[in-house]
Amino acid sequence: GESVGLHLPTLSVQEGDNSIINCAYSNSASDYFIWYKQESGKGPQFIIDIRSNMDKRQGQRVTVLLNKTVKHLSLQIAATQPGDSAVYFCAEKQGAQKLVFGQGTRLTINP
Amino acid sequence: EAGVVQSPRYKIIEKKQPVAFWCNPISGHNTLYWYLQNLGQGPELLIRYENEEAVDDSQLPKDRFSAERLKGVDSTLKIQPAELGDSAVYLCASSLAVGEQFFGPGTRLTVL
Repeated sequence: GESVGLHLPTLSVQEGDNSIINCAYSNSASDYFIWYKQESGKGPQFIIDIRSNMDKRQGQRVTVLLNKTVKHLSLQIAATQPGDSAVYFCAEKQGAQKLVFGQGTRLTINP
Repeated sequence: EAGVVQSPRYKIIEKKQPVAFWCNPISGHNTLYWYLQNLGQGPELLIRYENEEAVDDSQLPKDRFSAERLKGVDSTLKIQPAELGDSAVYLCASSLAVGEQFFGPGTRLTVL
């Protein structure tokens, strides 16, 4: 069936380095994607979104890239900080309000 | 402004017992969602309400799960009887009709 998945379950980076978290999707008709951050004991928190008519969108220290040709999106976090430690999910919006989440990548920051 | 409120935060029960989770959405949000999140996995939608109407309950295991949102505000999700495999985090989220979903902290259920 249609799914949204992640390439790597864990990612460890040095504080101050850039982080790149990847996500693959299978539904070529998908037109809206969201990245969420989930800290321990909390619910997912919206980070940034992107529509299929864009290939890049930037926020504060975060950038999302969308490659529709290979059905891949990535989340780049610049100058990673200890507070960025969390699990990151990509999600695909199907229909009006249904979100389909990928498995998640755990990002850990080394001091 | 308060976010999505869920209670209890943690619940431990023995299998075959009933359990209920409560959610109070952000004020003014007419759309409410219940998600199931297994360890290491992304949330999976169980049911979506628009006001008091369940508009998508296709993923809700109706033999043991039920939900209600009688007045179109807060909601209750129930499991009866609980099974070992129901151990997970149950997340509630809310949104305006079309827009960003805001998640609560979840209820962590452990079935022994």
